[in-house]
Amino acid sequence: KAGVTQTPRYLIKTRGQQVTLSCSPISGHRSVSWYQQTPGQGLQFLFEYFSETQRNKGNFPGRFSGRQFSNSRSEMNVSTLELGDSALYLCASSLGWGEDEAFFGQGTRLTVV
Amino acid sequence: AQSVTQLDSHVSVSEGTPVLLRCNYSSSYSPSLFWYVQHPNKGLQLLLKYTSAATLVKGINGFEAEFKKSETSFHLTKPSAHMSDAAEYFCVVTTGTTYKYIFGTGTRLKVLA
Repeated sequence: KAGVTQTPRYLIKTRGQQVTLSCSPISGHRSVSWYQQTPGQGLQFLFEYFSETQRNKGNFPGRFSGRQFSNSRSEMNVSTLELGDSALYLCASSLGWGEDEAFFGQGTRLTVV
Repeated sequence: AQSVTQLDSHVSVSEGTPVLLRCNYSSSYSPSLFWYVQHPNKGLQLLLKYTSAATLVKGINGFEAEFKKSETSFHLTKPSAHMSDAAEYFCVVTTGTTYKYIFGTGTRLKVLA
């Protein structure tokens, strides 16, 4: 059974650019969540999608957005990149019933220069 | 509101000795609790979960945790540390209606030969 797949694994972008990250969940999982991991702030929740609907979002500026497609694949977009957006972005998938365990991808390492 | 506190940012043990990683939680509702492990440059791997069944939870690789409601704790233990256990460990709390994980700040475990 394939795990959670995130692409690309590494990205280098310039300040002011935008970036799109992709996440393919485990087959049969309908929930996809995104987290930002930095040394200073730790792991912070960005947003969660279930059946193409955003059910919750964290305290991030509007430059961070996401969506989910009918096949449960998800993308997140960050516009007008800032140096502080440099982080490991982790995607997690689950069945979506709230208390389920989440399975994480290996992450996308974004570096903004 | 929910929160989780990992009481030690770093723990060092000798190989073959017991491991104790401490976690206290706060939750307005009955929580689900998890422990995840992250090896360098890797995603998060689920070690074990508590979802209101047995209070002593057994996980992978010999780890276990005990849910103590009176102490609001969910400490992670292992009888005998192995070199491969060196990693960062995260305690996580969630409830069924928020669809997001709240992560602790992590405990870095070092295993000495």
